[in-house]
Amino acid sequence: AQRVTQPEKLLSVFKGAPVELKCNYSYSGSPELFWYVQYSRQRLQLLLRHISRESIKGFTADLNKGETSFHLKKPFAQEEDSAMYYCALKGSQGNLIFGKGTKLSVKP
Amino acid sequence: GAGVSQSPRYKVAKRGQDVALRCDPISGHVSLFWYQQALGQGPEFLTYFQNEAQLDKSGLPSDRFFAERPEGSVSTLKIQRTQQEDSAVYLCASSSQGRTEAFFGQGTRLTVV
Repeated sequence: AQRVTQPEKLLSVFKGAPVELKCNYSYSGSPELFWYVQYSRQRLQLLLRHISRESIKGFTADLNKGETSFHLKKPFAQEEDSAMYYCALKGSQGNLIFGKGTKLSVKP
Repeated sequence: GAGVSQSPRYKVAKRGQDVALRCDPISGHVSLFWYQQALGQGPEFLTYFQNEAQLDKSGLPSDRFFAERPEGSVSTLKIQRTQQEDSAVYLCASSSQGRTEAFFGQGTRLTVV
């Protein structure tokens, strides 16, 4: 079965603290994984994808096939990082299979 | 337009009423997806179009749900005889050929009362 699990509904950290949003997946074959972000009152938008191996807004995510994980990390959280974060897996038709999301709250 | 546009933004329907939700994808985008997002959940796939062809409708929850994209651009998601469990945000996304990045609309929030 193709599935994405985000175990934390809410993650609250102080500004400047490190952040790790967890994502685990279930997929047979080579997975293609993404992180999407939704800021307050804005549309869902792509943050990063594993094939690009890029860092966006200080966030990185490494695909670990052994642990079937794709955790999102940032060394120093900023208040503007507060948002809903969704991990997603590309399905066979190109559709996205989303986790339930983690709400990140960065306190001043 | 610059992005994916959905209308209406909000819709309140009485139980049993039919509704139609519109999606205007980014011009030239071949692929179009519909998702349903219930409160506190991630988006869940409903259906997928490549141009005017509906290639996958496995996510449609019942035969009350119907989607079309007759000219390969604008798409309409229709829900017949709405039920309270249909209350959700309906998201549309489009992507260009060969690209994996999907661009999302603002969504339509449907409330069935």
